[in-house]
Amino acid sequence: AQRVTQPEKLLSVFKGAPVELKCNYSYSGSPELFWYVQYSRQRLQLLLRHISRESIKGFTADLNKGETSFHLKKPFAQEEDSAMYYCALSGPYAGGTSYGKLTFGQGTILTVHP
Amino acid sequence: EAGVAQSPRYKIIEKRQSVAFWCNPISGHATLYWYQQILGQGPKLLIQFQNNGVVDDSQLPKDRFSAERLKGVDSTLKIQPAKLEDSAVYLCASSLGQGWDNEQFFGPGTRLTVL
Repeated sequence: AQRVTQPEKLLSVFKGAPVELKCNYSYSGSPELFWYVQYSRQRLQLLLRHISRESIKGFTADLNKGETSFHLKKPFAQEEDSAMYYCALSGPYAGGTSYGKLTFGQGTILTVHP
Repeated sequence: EAGVAQSPRYKIIEKRQSVAFWCNPISGHATLYWYQQILGQGPKLLIQFQNNGVVDDSQLPKDRFSAERLKGVDSTLKIQPAKLEDSAVYLCASSLGQGWDNEQFFGPGTRLTVL
């Protein structure tokens, strides 16, 4: 069964400092991994997906299959980055076809202090 | 575009009572999901619909939970009878289609408190 682990419930940094939110996964196939974010009083929304290899709001995440990790990084944190962040995995499914089901980690609350 | 709509936003009931939640997905989205998010945890998928058919309900406690999407648009999730451990936020999401490459858009959620 697939599993997503975010070891830190809380993470605090100062503005301008680098930030890394950790995510580890267990999955027997080839995973599709995502980061979702929920800002205060807003809906859960997609931040980025590993397949796109994109940088969103200065955040990047690299899939490391050897370490089964998908850590989210930003070199210079901003106060507006304060939010709840969830790592999520999509898969597995009958015949190897993903039906889009997401398995979420427990989430990390990021607080960026001025 | 209008987002996923859910109602009610909050509900307080006593254990053993019944409750129903409603979700209206983004227009044109064929896939609809119901997630349960217990405090301190990430969302957990309860049921996934493709149009009006169930794709995955493996984590739905079928002795007390039921869901339907009769016309392939709106959906309702019902709990009967509720237990204390059902206290959670119930999230509805929708996407254009199945598959990991279809972004899921989430509603604001319904916060259920069971006393």
